[in-house]
Amino acid sequence: EVQLLESGGGLVQPGGSLRLSCAASGFTFSSYAMSWVRQAPGKGLEWVSGISGSDGTIFYADSVKGRFTISRDNSKNTLYLQMSSLRGEDRAVYYCAKDRGGIVGLEFDHWGQGILVTVSP
Amino acid sequence: SYVLTQPPSVSVAPGMTAKITCGGNNIGSESVHWYQQKPGQAPVLVIYHDSNRPSGIPERFSGSYSGNTATLTISRVEAGDEADYYCQVWHTSGDHYVFGTGTKVTVL
Repeated sequence: EVQLLESGGGLVQPGGSLRLSCAASGFTFSSYAMSWVRQAPGKGLEWVSGISGSDGTIFYADSVKGRFTISRDNSKNTLYLQMSSLRGEDRAVYYCAKDRGGIVGLEFDHWGQGILVTVSP
Repeated sequence: SYVLTQPPSVSVAPGMTAKITCGGNNIGSESVHWYQQKPGQAPVLVIYHDSNRPSGIPERFSGSYSGNTATLTISRVEAGDEADYYCQVWHTSGDHYVFGTGTKVTVL
């Protein structure tokens, strides 16, 4: 059974940093692309960043480019999102999502339960 | 930036058919996926590549295209189908995913 478990969320001040982790199990992690998707309170889904399975090709949404860094450790079956220069508009539930294939650009067939990031003084 | 437009809400009586549209420029050249999200839960994939159902998704859920609009159809609607629904594409010219604005389906 595929499981994705996010951790590392919490309260951070504007301008601060936070690193999210997503521990994956139940599938061959290195073979699949992964993404981060966020949802602000009461709002819709917004894709944040994605990384391919093996060659590490990375994509970012314009709203986070230069502030967030996605990475993965295939030996630890873990996806990361390093968030810096956080703003109030980054406040959201962040989901880890698994692509159906090895490259970014397919659909998300599994999602984590999400983790809340709050940016406030 | 690329935008996918959905109606904010759709209301439907139990047993009837709900249609949720997703409009975008030249959307026919993209592969459209649909997600269902119930309150407090993560999204669930219900249709991928325009009209394919993942295992475990009822046949009542179907996807189609017409012109610049993709449509998710839920036949014989049940109370348990009440949720928010989002369309999604990978916008190849921008190298990013785009989600639709979302549609809240209410079962009367």
